[in-house]
Amino acid sequence: AQKITQTQPGMFVQEKEAVTLDCTYDTSDPSYGLFWYKQPSSGEMIFLIYQGSYDQQNATEGRYSLNFQKARKSANLVISASQLGDSAMYFCAMREGLEYNTDKLIFGTGTRLQVFP
Amino acid sequence: DADVTQTPRNRITKTGKRIMLECSQTKGHDRMYWYRQDPGLGLQLIYYSFDVKDINKGEISDGYSVSRQAQAKFSLSLESAIPNQTALYFCATSEGSGLGADEQFFGPGTRLTVL
Repeated sequence: AQKITQTQPGMFVQEKEAVTLDCTYDTSDPSYGLFWYKQPSSGEMIFLIYQGSYDQQNATEGRYSLNFQKARKSANLVISASQLGDSAMYFCAMREGLEYNTDKLIFGTGTRLQVFP
Repeated sequence: DADVTQTPRNRITKTGKRIMLECSQTKGHDRMYWYRQDPGLGLQLIYYSFDVKDINKGEISDGYSVSRQAQAKFSLSLESAIPNQTALYFCATSEGSGLGADEQFFGPGTRLTVL
C-alpha cells in the first residue's frame, strides 16, 4: 500500500487565490512527522512546513498552512494568496517512528501547481 | 555558498561505465542521504548514513554503492551504469536530533543520463 498518496497530478490556481494540495498517508505508528517540500523548475528541494503527529495545532509558516486531520490521515497543504513564483512541484513526505529517530523520509509522487495571472 | 553541494550537476555516460556522484556539506550534520527522482515517482531513498561508520540500504540500493569518506562527504557510485538509472539524484543531510521537524536539507541535484 502507498504510504503517501497525492491524488492531484496537477492543479491550477489564479494569482492571489488560495489553493489546497491534498496528501493522505498510511501508518500504524503513533509517532510520525509530515513534511511538505517545494521543487521549482530549477530542481532544488525546498522545505516548506512540518507537522508532528502529536502537535495540537495545525502548522503554519507564512502563506503556508497544513490542514492536519489525524483521524482521516490527511495533511493537506494550503497556500494562501498564490503568487506566480509558487508554480512548482509539491511533495508530501512522512517520517515514521520518531521515537526511534529513524529519519527516513517517504515521499509522495507530487502535485504540479501552476499559478496563472 | 551552498550548504549542500553535488558534483557533477549533469553527466551523460554510456552503459557499463562506472560513475561516481559526490556530495559535500558544510552544515555539520551527521546524517546524509542519497535519493533518486524519476518522473511520476517522487523521491526514493537509495542509501543513508547516520555517521561515518554507519551506512544503510534504502528502498532501491541494488546497482549502487556508497562511501562516507568523512562527516562532510558522501559519495554514490554506479559500478556499471544502465539506462534505467537515468534519473535526477539528490543528496540530503539532516541534524538527526529527532526533535521537531529536523528536516532534511537537499543539494541541487545531479542529472544523470545513461545511454
